[in-house]
Amino acid sequence: DTGVSQNPRHKITKRGQNVTFRCDPISEHNRLYWYRQTLGQGPEFLTYFQNEAQLEKSRLLSDRFSAERPKGSFSTLEIQRTEQGDSAMYLCASSWGLADTDTQYFGPGTRLTVL
Amino acid sequence: GENVEQHPSTLSVQEGDSAVIKCTYSDSASNYFPWYKQELGKGPQLIIDIRSNVGEKKDQRIAVTLNKTAKHFSLHITETQPEDSAVYFCAASSGYKYIFGTGTRLKVLA
Repeated sequence: DTGVSQNPRHKITKRGQNVTFRCDPISEHNRLYWYRQTLGQGPEFLTYFQNEAQLEKSRLLSDRFSAERPKGSFSTLEIQRTEQGDSAMYLCASSWGLADTDTQYFGPGTRLTVL
Repeated sequence: GENVEQHPSTLSVQEGDSAVIKCTYSDSASNYFPWYKQELGKGPQLIIDIRSNVGEKKDQRIAVTLNKTAKHFSLHITETQPEDSAVYFCAASSGYKYIFGTGTRLKVLA
């Protein structure tokens, strides 16, 4: 078990460009989550997948954001037409369970800087 | 809306002393309360958790207490060591979404 991995670890882009992040969850975890963390704050929920189905999207996730989890394995988070306000750490977490509340295990994050 | 308040925002203790971090949650349906430790440039790491049917849980030097009536829960670290220095986050959940506190930066002075 190698834990949750995320790539890239750092991304610097210019305003208006598109970026895509990848998350590989702990193997056989059926649930996957994306959070955003800005400096000095706790993580904020963005979206949640159970297997390949995206079950909830936060109001924080504007139309410029899209997430996928094909085949219920890895997930991608794409941000189109990036803005400076998108600069943050994007965290992925995964869990296994059928109960309402599972223990979530986080990856190292992808730090995005929009110039 | 759902909210978790966390105090203090910074905490400095001498090595060997105890540290206490407190959180208050607003959603009475919350039934799961994990604590995470985050070191610089890394993702949050789970250190201990507690469910609403338990009042206290301990794991070596770390303990968590829960008061459901008051909607308070606390993290206690005893015999602190320099490697305990990090940012600690509490969270509350009633389902798949975690609501995090704003974090406590703990500094353990050698």
